[in-house]
Amino acid sequence: EPEVTQTPSHQVTQMGQEVILRCVPISNHLYFYWYRQILGQKVEFLVSFYNNEISEKSEIFDDQFSVERPDGSNFTLKIRSTKLEDSAMYFCASSSGGQLNEKLFFGSGTQLSVL
Amino acid sequence: GQNIDQPTEMTATEGAIVQINCTYQTSGFNGLFWYQQHAGEAPTFLSYNVLDGLEEKGRFSSFLSRSKGYSYLLLKELQMKDSASYLCAVRPRGGGSQGNLIFGKGTKLSVKP
Repeated sequence: EPEVTQTPSHQVTQMGQEVILRCVPISNHLYFYWYRQILGQKVEFLVSFYNNEISEKSEIFDDQFSVERPDGSNFTLKIRSTKLEDSAMYFCASSSGGQLNEKLFFGSGTQLSVL
Repeated sequence: GQNIDQPTEMTATEGAIVQINCTYQTSGFNGLFWYQQHAGEAPTFLSYNVLDGLEEKGRFSSFLSRSKGYSYLLLKELQMKDSASYLCAVRPRGGGSQGNLIFGKGTKLSVKP
């Protein structure tokens, strides 16, 4: 089965530093997403991306966050100035788009630790 | 507000049947999903309900009652590998952001021999 791949699997950074989390969605998918899961808490929606622009974002996705699809395969999440509370598992997901019942395919996640 | 409730933990015996309940109050409703998540791994899709009733898929079934804001996931013939967290998620609306799901905190299921 096709996979969403994420790199790195773990990222440790100092508070205030910029990080870029990388994702390669499934090749024929059109919708891309970032979710995060703070340890012991629920999975939270951050942003959805379609047709090279953000289609929706949550309150969490403030000015410190940005997403980009720099080429035909990669999808990135940038956090400009990391805070301690940004420590979480970040999941990229993709879907082919268009149907209500279609499932999201999640990547295996990047564990971000902000020190 | 948006709220999805499910039990925090459940324990069941190998070979048995377990039912994991989920109640939701969301601003809109365009489907309910169940995902399985093993520790440290990504959520994987199990089922989708948008109409009332039961959807069966092998050992897993999912039920929805929209009027009650209620769903359950039924796992039959439990296996040790079913030990995982089970996430209930609601899609509040369709449209451009088809995948905007609101997740519950998940139910951690432990299957004992």
